[in-house]
Amino acid sequence: EADIYQTPRYLVIGTGKKITLECSQTMGHDKMYWYQQDPGMELHLIHYSYGVNSTEKGDLSSESTVSRIRTEHFPLTLESARPSHTSQYLCASSEFGTVKDTQYFGPGTRLTVL
Amino acid sequence: AQKVTQAQTEISVVEKEDVTLDCVYETRDTTYYLFWYKQPPSGELVFLIRRNSFDEQNEISGRYSWNFQKSTSSFNFTITASQVVDSAVYFCALSQGGSEKLVFGKGTKLTVNP
Repeated sequence: EADIYQTPRYLVIGTGKKITLECSQTMGHDKMYWYQQDPGMELHLIHYSYGVNSTEKGDLSSESTVSRIRTEHFPLTLESARPSHTSQYLCASSEFGTVKDTQYFGPGTRLTVL
Repeated sequence: AQKVTQAQTEISVVEKEDVTLDCVYETRDTTYYLFWYKQPPSGELVFLIRRNSFDEQNEISGRYSWNFQKSTSSFNFTITASQVVDSAVYFCALSQGGSEKLVFGKGTKLTVNP
């Protein structure tokens, strides 16, 4: 099982602020993902990465951006937060091998934009 | 196109009752993977099980069991003798073979009352 860490766990911020949500994993997984979960519970993939210097947009359009400079680190940035960005953000990672495609999730960041 | 349907939005049971969470999926691929995740009130997604499309054996893990039936495109999850700690939102998910993208159902919120 992967160890994935997300900080902060909770963030309340004003409109227009720049924020970065941190995600780190210690298992050396190549693939990492960001999901957005709305209050209705549904999860949507917004970004993913196959490895260092690889980033792709997911199925749900998002104004956030991501970077992957190190294998273990996959931060998500919002340049100018808006109330519509209020949501829970979940980071995940996975590896190749006998349990290919199994994504392990971090604890999530609950973001509220006032 | 892939799709996962969890028709039960919310289920409420009394402790020690058995409960089955339904999951129906759609995919055109012959190779795919099915997953169940648990999301307790704390927010993280906990991986429960992964099944590939070529393995239709049912699985039992303690009080949990899973019934995979390709003929009906279903991957149902049963909790036997439910406990209050089982209260959570449960997600069924699908990924195509060779693809890292997980498609989630909308989740079923299970409440186990003492």
